[in-house]
This record gives sequence, C-alpha cells and structure tokens, in this order.
Amino acid sequence: EVQLVESGGGLVQPGRSLRLSCAVSGFTFDNYAMQWVRQAPGKGLEWVSSISWNSGSIGYADSVKGRFTVSRDNARNSLYLQMSSLRAEDTAFYYCAILNSGYDFDYWGQGTLVTVSS
Amino acid sequence: EIVLTQSPATLSLSPGERATLSCRASQSVSNQLAWYQQKPGQAPRLLIYDASNRATGIPARFSGSGSGTDFTLTISSLEPEDFAVYYCHQRRNWRTFGQGTKLESK
Repeated sequence: EVQLVESGGGLVQPGRSLRLSCAVSGFTFDNYAMQWVRQAPGKGLEWVSSISWNSGSIGYADSVKGRFTVSRDNARNSLYLQMSSLRAEDTAFYYCAILNSGYDFDYWGQGTLVTVSS
Repeated sequence: EIVLTQSPATLSLSPGERATLSCRASQSVSNQLAWYQQKPGQAPRLLIYDASNRATGIPARFSGSGSGTDFTLTISSLEPEDFAVYYCHQRRNWRTFGQGTKLESK
C-alpha cells in the first residue's frame, strides 16, 4: 500500500523558517518525481514545487521561488521542503504528492497545516 | 507559467442531470491535462489523466475530452456522491491547477 505521511507543520511567526518532511512507503521512491502542493483553508490547490527522481530537475511556483527549497533523500525514502522568510499568505495545508505523469499513478498524503502568524 | 481558467465557478444541478465543466489553458498543454475531485477534509482524487483516460476505479459516467487549450470534464448522470469541487491540472510546463469548479446540489 502506497503511503505518504507529512510532518513538520505548525504555527510559525512571519519571517521565520520551517522544514516539512514526507515519509513514503509502498513503492520504489527513487523511480518517481515528487511534488509539494498547498491549499489555503477554504481555497483552491496551488502547486508549490517539483523534484525529479535524482534531484536533477527542480521547479518552484513563482510565489515561493527564492524562499522555499525542495530536496529528497532516496536512501531514506523521504521528501523535504525547507521554507524560509515565511509570510501570512503561506498559511495552508501542505501536501506531499506523486502527481500523475502520463500514467495512472497518483497519490497524496493527508497534508500538514502550516500557520504563519504572530 | 501556464494559467488554467475553469468555468463556471459554481454549478448547481440535480442528481441524474448531466454536468459539463470547462478548463481553458493560457497556452497549449497538448493532452497533458488531468482532472481531480476533492471533497471536504479529503485529499484530491485523480479522475482523468492525459485529457481522456479514466483513472483506476473511476466510474464510466466520468469522461474527459479536449486538447491544446480547451478541455471538458463531463459527468453523464450525477450521483449524490459527485457533488464536490473539481480541479483541472496541467503537467506540460511544470505544474499548475485551475481555481476549481464547485458542483453543488440544487
């Protein structure tokens, strides 16, 4: 069974940093690109970042570029999102996901809530 | 960045009716467009990938069509469990999502 479990969310002050983790199991992690997607409470989905299987290709949404850094550790079956210079508008549920890439393999974690507030 | 625009924002229909949801891309995404369904408190679920391929376990009443910049998700006869928010999503150039269409029961 494929499982993605996020952790590291919480309440953080504006301007501070936070690191999210995603532990995966049930599939060959280093065969797949991974993504982070966020959703502000009551709002729509927003793609945040993608990282290829070997970390050779990385992309970010304009809204987080220069502030967020995605990484992965294939030996530990883990995905990370280092978030710095956090703003109130970064408040959201953050999902770790394997989004479909032309085939029927698409899985999401349960999400972790990040709240940026003083 | 490819912008996806969904219409309508809200669609009010009754069970048994046909639903037609639209997604327009700001530039061609070829067929690299997917549709997701999201219910309150749940992660999104993949319905359709590459414009017209149903994901595993998705009922045949869901169908997708289109290519280039214009796409449609059709639900042929609404069931009570279909009332939810639907998002389109492109993978042609990195990733983006549409703003969503809320399908509500009339």
